Amino acid sequence: LAKTTQPISMDSYEGQEVNITCSHNNIATNDYITWYQQFPSQGPRFIIQGYKTKVTNEVASLFIPADRKSSTLSLPRVSLSDTAVYYCLVGDIIGSARQLTFGSGTQLTVLP
Amino acid sequence: ETGVTQTPRHLVMGMTNKKSLKCEQHLGHNAMYWYKQSAKKPLELMFVYNFKEQTENNSVPSRFSPECPNSSHLFLHLHTLQPEDSALYLCASSQGGLGDETQYFGPGTRLLVL
Repeated sequence: LAKTTQPISMDSYEGQEVNITCSHNNIATNDYITWYQQFPSQGPRFIIQGYKTKVTNEVASLFIPADRKSSTLSLPRVSLSDTAVYYCLVGDIIGSARQLTFGSGTQLTVLP
Repeated sequence: ETGVTQTPRHLVMGMTNKKSLKCEQHLGHNAMYWYKQSAKKPLELMFVYNFKEQTENNSVPSRFSPECPNSSHLFLHLHTLQPEDSALYLCASSQGGLGDETQYFGPGTRLLVL
């Protein structure tokens, strides 16, 4: 399983764009990059997933450079309710049920 | 709402009690998971079931006993727990088989062992 490295914490202000970068130097050919969001005392919630280049949905964008050794989750115009822990996971998403390895994540705090 | 429900949401039990946690998914998935999340620690995978068969047991103590009677339901039976077992227990499900393995989590059961 590819190991990921993320900043432990980040602060931002309401209305700003937040970019959280994750390093995954040992990513394998079949691995996808997935981001989850977790609020206190709740289960993680899937945000976005990608393989290469850029993926965008109604919540966030995911930027993946050509070498795929890192990825950046971009949250446009954050609000106080975006305060949460954000996890970057790397792994093959196709096939039999598999283990997700969660790291410590990034605690994002959005300030008024 | 993710389509995965867990009951109870909170549980307090003594070390000699026996209790069960229940998870139900309404997504038509075939794989289900139990995770443990202790305070200020990453999620730890405990068990994986794929098409009702247990495929992974991450060296979990025998005082935790999983049961998967069908693809929609998953139980975690608890007995003679220790205070250090106090944590948030999360259930998740995914498509299973050869499909997309994105996991969808329930809200968790907050367990306190006295």
